[in-house]
Amino acid sequence: DAGVIQSPRHEVTEMGQEVTLRCKPISGHDYLFWYRQTMMRGLELLIYFNNNVPIDDSGMPEDRFSAKMPNASFSTLKIQPSEPRDSAVYFCASSRGGAGNSPLHFGNGTRLTVT
Amino acid sequence: GQSLEQPSEVTAVEGAIVQINCTYQTSGFYGLSWYQQHDGGAPTFLSYNALDGLEETGRFSSFLSRSDSYGYLLLQELQMKDSASYFCAVEAGGFKTIFGAGTRLFVKA
Repeated sequence: DAGVIQSPRHEVTEMGQEVTLRCKPISGHDYLFWYRQTMMRGLELLIYFNNNVPIDDSGMPEDRFSAKMPNASFSTLKIQPSEPRDSAVYFCASSRGGAGNSPLHFGNGTRLTVT
Repeated sequence: GQSLEQPSEVTAVEGAIVQINCTYQTSGFYGLSWYQQHDGGAPTFLSYNALDGLEETGRFSSFLSRSDSYGYLLLQELQMKDSASYFCAVEAGGFKTIFGAGTRLFVKA
């Protein structure tokens, strides 16, 4: 089991540029989550999917943010245009879901710096 | 809305026992989880409580009281490697998982 795979690990970009973060969940996991972590705001849930369908995107901060899950093994989080306040670590996590103990398995994160 | 409260920082000595509390307010509750995160790393799952009572996993135990909207993580026989941030997380409606702000644990020799 390779775990949740995120790319890139680090991304440095200039304000106004488009940024795309990628995630491959654990095979067989039906839920996929995108979180953003900053010192000020902690771990914020941005959006989550069940069986590739977005269930709750109420945490997406602005229309500049969009997420897709075209199939069970791939998801993207896009920021266009990026701003310095978007600088954070973005984590993708997956889970088997369902009632009971289905822990989230996190990827190693993408550290985004927008200058 | 949803909110979770936990102390921002706790310090303890090696070999001691430490308790990290978490109180929550959520619209919908299925369970309380705890995650550990070392600096520069990803959160990793420690424990989960859906029902009232104590769950034990090695040196770590977690407790839940649904009526009090309260839980805690108990770490025994503290080791230096336990220095990390600890997050409580609520599984709310629709399997939405919301995290607290985290408690930074410093273990001193």
